[in-house]
Amino acid sequence: EAQVTQNPRYLITVTGKKLTVTCSQNMNHEYMSWYRQDPGLGLRQIYYSMNVEVTDKGDVPEGYKVSRKEKRNFPLILESPSPNQTSLYFCASSWEGTDNSPLHFGNGTRLTVT
Amino acid sequence: GNSVTQMEGPVTLSEEAFLTINCTYTATGYPSLFWYVQYPGEGLQLLLKATKADDKGSNKGFEATYRKETTSFHLEKGSVQVSDSAVYFCALSDGAAGNKLTFGGGTRVLVKP
Repeated sequence: EAQVTQNPRYLITVTGKKLTVTCSQNMNHEYMSWYRQDPGLGLRQIYYSMNVEVTDKGDVPEGYKVSRKEKRNFPLILESPSPNQTSLYFCASSWEGTDNSPLHFGNGTRLTVT
Repeated sequence: GNSVTQMEGPVTLSEEAFLTINCTYTATGYPSLFWYVQYPGEGLQLLLKATKADDKGSNKGFEATYRKETTSFHLEKGSVQVSDSAVYFCALSDGAAGNKLTFGGGTRVLVKP
């Protein structure tokens, strides 16, 4: 089954404790992206990757890192999480980074930072 | 910058009622417009899209028409079902690098039997 898999689904952590949210897709997609969803704000792009070893900032990259060492994986790293990073995070992928290629979303990771 | 404004919810309807969710946008150039749907506990799924003025996107009984003159992309369905209960997001893409979608805040729809 074609899918985007995120782990974990739920995560509670404390300020300053490094964490990684994994994202993997099995569709051989070139493009991957991370969004965060906050009430009333919709989804905002954090980082994106057009291909292996190519990453770039979205609208809200502060406090996050990503890497794209393999085509299928695009982990999101929070080196020193803070409470304002409490949010619902979505990974997405598509064949290419254009609006002709629909995004496939994972089921989300709900992060709480205390 | 780009922005998308959609009506706040929740919208509560009875089954078989008519649904309209308003969406207006601000963007430079000629963006592509999308509606995404998010069912409880799931990620977003593309519902429909339109890429140029006067295009109508449709899927699963939902429709939306790209109106450049009013910068709008309102979502409609003639007869909703309980299974249509979800959060609906209007979004645009201006074709810039990164395939970034600019989303509205989402509208929660609850359909009661």
